[in-house]
Amino acid sequence: DAEITQSPRHKITETGRQVTLACHQTWNHNNMFWYRQDLGHGLRLIHYSYGVQDTNKGEVSDGYSVSRSNTEDLPLTLESAASSQTSVYFCASGSYNEQFFGPGTRLTVL
Amino acid sequence: AQSVTQPDIHITVSEGASLELRCNYSYGATPYLFWYVQSPGQGLQLLLKYFSGDTLVQGIKGFEAEFKRSQSSFNLRKPSVHWSDAAEYFCAVGAGGNEKLTFGTGTRLTIIP
Repeated sequence: DAEITQSPRHKITETGRQVTLACHQTWNHNNMFWYRQDLGHGLRLIHYSYGVQDTNKGEVSDGYSVSRSNTEDLPLTLESAASSQTSVYFCASGSYNEQFFGPGTRLTVL
Repeated sequence: AQSVTQPDIHITVSEGASLELRCNYSYGATPYLFWYVQSPGQGLQLLLKYFSGDTLVQGIKGFEAEFKRSQSSFNLRKPSVHWSDAAEYFCAVGAGGNEKLTFGTGTRLTIIP
């Protein structure tokens, strides 16, 4: 069965460190998305991609970057982690009819 | 700019009672509307969606939602809730499942025996 996976599921890091969160999908979707979930804010879009070599900024992109070198993967990088980036991060990929979500990565920045 | 409002942060209902979760949206074109459910520590699962056609849509787990363009609403309903329905519910709007979605802040549903 097709799926979307994220790793790691939990991560603790220190302020100022670079962190990369992995996202891998086997749906063969061109469109992929990164959201962060915070209490009182729901899910907010960080970055998204419509295909290989395509990346776009979302609502809360400051301090984050993504790259898309193949269809299956969209890694999210925090260039210099800040405490404000403590959150739960969800990756998603979508067809016209539905957007599928990964299980999430809980990131704590100390 | 598109936006979604879920006015109820937390709702408590008794098992077997009916449920309605409210969702209001703002969108400049024809909206594609979604309801997702998130169980504790889990990802999001699609309950139902509205793209066009019949304004009353049926979803999984016995949920339904009604699209009312005049009220910019897409409220979620269930005639009789089960303890397993306790979760967080998110309404979202976008241009399709393959487009970026704007989510509401969510409604947490608690079920009491």
